[in-house]
Amino acid sequence: QSVLTQPPSVSGAPGQRVTISCTGSSSNIGARYDVHWYQHLPGTAPKLLIYGNNNRPSGVPDRFSGSKSGTSASLAITGLQAEDEADYYCQSYDSSLSGFVVFGGGTKLTVL
Amino acid sequence: QLQLQESGPGLVKPSETLSLTCTVSGDSISSSSYSWGWIRQPPGKGLEWIGSFYYSGNTYYIPSLKSRVTMSVDTSKNQFSLKLSSVTAADTAVYYCARHPPGSGRTFFDYWGQGTLVIVSS
Repeated sequence: QSVLTQPPSVSGAPGQRVTISCTGSSSNIGARYDVHWYQHLPGTAPKLLIYGNNNRPSGVPDRFSGSKSGTSASLAITGLQAEDEADYYCQSYDSSLSGFVVFGGGTKLTVL
Repeated sequence: QLQLQESGPGLVKPSETLSLTCTVSGDSISSSSYSWGWIRQPPGKGLEWIGSFYYSGNTYYIPSLKSRVTMSVDTSKNQFSLKLSSVTAADTAVYYCARHPPGSGRTFFDYWGQGTLVIVSS
């Protein structure tokens, strides 16, 4: 069981907007630690998508955005494209015994 | 362009030690402010952080693996390594090496290797 909770799957049609939630607790997201997001295609290296809650690395389209509130965070993808079909993971820091770096369980995005 | 490449045996017997190396190209591993880590993904499961070592000299491991994990650096070869002892089938996973970007408190990873599958089986 992951320290950060994500829905196992989400889906959307091309052009639509989808959001992926990431729920934590008072020892990670709720403690104001930053949330980061990765996009992962099987067999490839995970790609940093969002860092520091809402910052995009160079080269990441502005269709991807992040937000955080309380003990939760969200990744939003607008103008959904077929190439967005992938697994998405949130990540944060945890101050309990769970570990220094914690990931969510991952969400499979299906583009219908 | 920074690149990371994992290498090591793809098959390890139960109770033995898993040893992996991450070769860094495109920059010096000993550059100040960079920190490095290992993450794994068991088949059909999500990502799990194993440990990281920071430029400050501090090393951190996930508590559940701490007694079995050792991480080290070989600056002469621009490599860092992971050793996981007393492995079981539960340690079967794709293992990734990755870099923490410069700056204090940077817990995320900006560059990742492609990953290497390690199967624990007799």
